[in-house]
Amino acid sequence: NAGVMQNPRHLVRRRGQEARLRCSPMKGHSHVYWYRQLPEEGLKFMVYLQKENIIDESGMPKERFSAEFPKEGPSILRIQQVVRGDSAAYFCASSPPVSGNTIYFGEGSWLTVV
Amino acid sequence: AQSVSQHNHHVILSEAASLELGCNYSYGGTVNLFWYVQYPGQHLQLLLKYFSGDPLVKGIKGFEAEFIKSKFSFNLRKPSVQWSDTAEYFCAVKGLFGQNFVFGPGTRLSVLP
Repeated sequence: NAGVMQNPRHLVRRRGQEARLRCSPMKGHSHVYWYRQLPEEGLKFMVYLQKENIIDESGMPKERFSAEFPKEGPSILRIQQVVRGDSAAYFCASSPPVSGNTIYFGEGSWLTVV
Repeated sequence: AQSVSQHNHHVILSEAASLELGCNYSYGGTVNLFWYVQYPGQHLQLLLKYFSGDPLVKGIKGFEAEFIKSKFSFNLRKPSVQWSDTAEYFCAVKGLFGQNFVFGPGTRLSVLP
């Protein structure tokens, strides 16, 4: 049973470019969460999605960031016009559609903005 | 809104010392509680979780945690740490219905050989 798959694992972008991070949840999981981890800081919640719905995006910056989880295909976290401060590890996690279940993390995507 | 606090930012112990990492949460309803560990350069892995029942839960690698409802706490313990326990430890809480998982800021544990 494959775990949560994230790609790319490492991404380098120049300031002003776009970054797209993909997350395929575990089989049978319909809930996806995105977190950002800055160097020397903890995990910051960004967005919580179910298939075709954004449930909670209270942690998403208002500009340049967007997320989707289409009916088919992976969840995508999109960062437009990246700036140096976007450099971080972005972790995706997934859980099954049952209250109280555990979330399982992917190995993360490390974004470096140069 | 839910929030999670962890008492210590960085804990340094010698091997064989006992460990207790504090975690407190604020939430008005029923919660599920978790501890995750992140080894250097790796992703988060589940250590243990509490849903209901016995408030003392045992996890992997000799870790355990105790849920004290009256104190809104879920402290992590291990009687004797090893060098390989060096990692970042995150406490997390989830409301029972539909809410997202909220993580604490993490506690870095350094175990000296």
